[in-house]
Amino acid sequence: DAMVIQNPRYQVTQFGKPVTLSCSQTLNHNVMYWYQQKSSQAPKLLFHYYDKDFNNEADTPDNFQSRRPNTSFCFLDIRSPGLGDAAMYLCATSGIRQRLPINYGYTFGSGTRLTVV
Amino acid sequence: SQQGEEDPQALSIQEGENATMNCSYKTSINNLQWYRQNSGRGLVHLILIRSNEREKHSGRLRVTLDTSKKSSSLLITASRAADTASYFCVPVLGGTSYGKLTFGQGTILTVHP
Repeated sequence: DAMVIQNPRYQVTQFGKPVTLSCSQTLNHNVMYWYQQKSSQAPKLLFHYYDKDFNNEADTPDNFQSRRPNTSFCFLDIRSPGLGDAAMYLCATSGIRQRLPINYGYTFGSGTRLTVV
Repeated sequence: SQQGEEDPQALSIQEGENATMNCSYKTSINNLQWYRQNSGRGLVHLILIRSNEREKHSGRLRVTLDTSKKSSSLLITASRAADTASYFCVPVLGGTSYGKLTFGQGTILTVHP
């Protein structure tokens, strides 16, 4: 039944070692988002894809990249994780084809908690 | 995009009581959405109220919207321990066919059994 799936739930990576987080969806939504949420803070939008169009937030560090090979999958790549990148990473989707996505809520995955050691 | 400002920052009640959370925002909106986040989990969409609606219900949830005051409230009736979570209001602007949600700090609700 899970509609937005994030893998893994917990990820431990070494300082400076590239890491990839994945998100898949079965909703056929055309918009996919990545949020970063640090402890006791609000989720912060990193970037999003509208179909294949990539949209970066102005203050997203260059260390963060994303790929969306098809409608169902989206990846978050952290090229050189630092201790400050330890956080919960949330993937979300929105959009029902033929309708205006803003009229519907987002669907979030359960998140991946990243620890950097 | 804009974020909502939730008030209070934290709310502690007993099971069975009602919980009311308020939200204020700054500019005209297309709709306003409420989300819940249980500790260490993803967010769950609770309810969406459009700018031309004044009140909406979903189960034990009641949301009001006053666009003249740029404010909204979320009422949870007969609260349960399982309602313990952070609650976020998110105003969604018009102007694009899709919205970018910007989250504020939320209200942390604790319901004691």
